[in-house]
Amino acid sequence: KQEVTQIPAALSVPEGENLVLNCSFTDSAIYNLQWFRQDPGKGLTSLLLIQSSQREQTSGRLNASLDKSSGRSTLYIAASQPGDSATYLCAVMLENDMRFGAGTRLTVKP
Amino acid sequence: NAGVMQNPRHLVRRRGQEARLRCSPMKGHSHVYWYRQLPEEGLKFMVYLQKENIIDESGMPKERFSAEFPKEGPSILRIQQVVRGDSAAYFCASSPSGGGRNEQFFGPGTRLTVL
Repeated sequence: KQEVTQIPAALSVPEGENLVLNCSFTDSAIYNLQWFRQDPGKGLTSLLLIQSSQREQTSGRLNASLDKSSGRSTLYIAASQPGDSATYLCAVMLENDMRFGAGTRLTVKP
Repeated sequence: NAGVMQNPRHLVRRRGQEARLRCSPMKGHSHVYWYRQLPEEGLKFMVYLQKENIIDESGMPKERFSAEFPKEGPSILRIQQVVRGDSAAYFCASSPSGGGRNEQFFGPGTRLTVL
């Protein structure tokens, strides 16, 4: 059974720091892995999608890596800003559905 | 091209009432997925539908919950005799076809509160 775990559950950093969010999954038979951002009481914003054949994807200050064999992904945020404060969700795509982690709640202090 | 639309965005029901949540997929998408997010948790898969067919309902509670995606009109997630534990955000996603290679696009969600 596929389980997705995100560590840490919460993270607080000062503005300007580089940071890494971690995601692990138990079954490497995935089609892709996706990182989302969720603001309180809001929907999901897709940040990066990594296909199973890829190793990483970059968008602006964000970089996501995927190591399928070890069941791990990281989301790297460079030069964090207060506007980055949100919950970050990791999800893996299976045949019919996506499995989500519980998220990392990030707070970037000015 | 409008994204996935869900309505209502907020729904308040009293215990024992029925809740109907609607999802209109993106144009050209014929596959719909429903997820539930309980407070402080990640999203959990509920059901996957294609037009007029339920493909996978392994995440649906066995009682009180049902889903449909008719030939015409939006997909409906129906919760009968709601209880407080049904309070959650319900998200719908759509894709152009099935299978894990297709990205799912998410709607803004419906937040259900059961009093």
